[in-house]
Amino acid sequence: EVQLVESGGGLVRPGGSMRLSCEASGFTFSRHSMAWVRQAPGKGLEFLAQSSPTGETAYYGASVKGRVTISKDNSRNILFLQMDGLTADDTALYYCARDLRQQLEYDYWGQGTLVTVSS
Amino acid sequence: QSVLTQPPSVSAAPGQRVTISCSGSSSNIANAFVSWYQHLPGTAPRLLIYNNSERPSGIPDRFSASKSGASATLAITGLQAGDEAHYFCESWDHNLRAGVFGGGTKLTVL
Repeated sequence: EVQLVESGGGLVRPGGSMRLSCEASGFTFSRHSMAWVRQAPGKGLEFLAQSSPTGETAYYGASVKGRVTISKDNSRNILFLQMDGLTADDTALYYCARDLRQQLEYDYWGQGTLVTVSS
Repeated sequence: QSVLTQPPSVSAAPGQRVTISCSGSSSNIANAFVSWYQHLPGTAPRLLIYNNSERPSGIPDRFSASKSGASATLAITGLQAGDEAHYFCESWDHNLRAGVFGGGTKLTVL
């Protein structure tokens, strides 16, 4: 059974940083691209970042480019998201998702980890 | 302002058919695959459609989708109360070199 479990969310001060993790199981992690998507309160889904299966290539959403780094540890089946310079606009539920066939089509999602940016 | 444009809301009665549009451009939908997701509050998004019109296993054939040029459409037939949710389209944008989602459409089953 495919499982994606995010962690690392919580309360962060404005200007601070966070590192989210997504532990994957039930499939061959090294064969899939993986992504981070978020949903701010009352807003829609927003693409943040995607990593190629090997972790060598990454794509970033325009709104977070330059502040975000996605990384993929295929030896431990973990996906990471590092985000710096957090503002209140980064308050959201952060999901990791598995790309079905490297076409940005996400067939499995975690339950999300909530990040709240507040002083 | 989302790159892909969806109507904020649609509604229909149980048993009826509803369509949700997703409008993009030559930098995304017209030259990339479209996927569709159902999202209920408090749950993970669910992939309904990939490769413009393919359904993953387990998705009922009441859900279908099509693409024409820079627009895509999701259709749901035989509406059920359980279909009440937000629906999002998604595609790759060649100019942005990133994934892009529509703003989402809230489906209300009357």
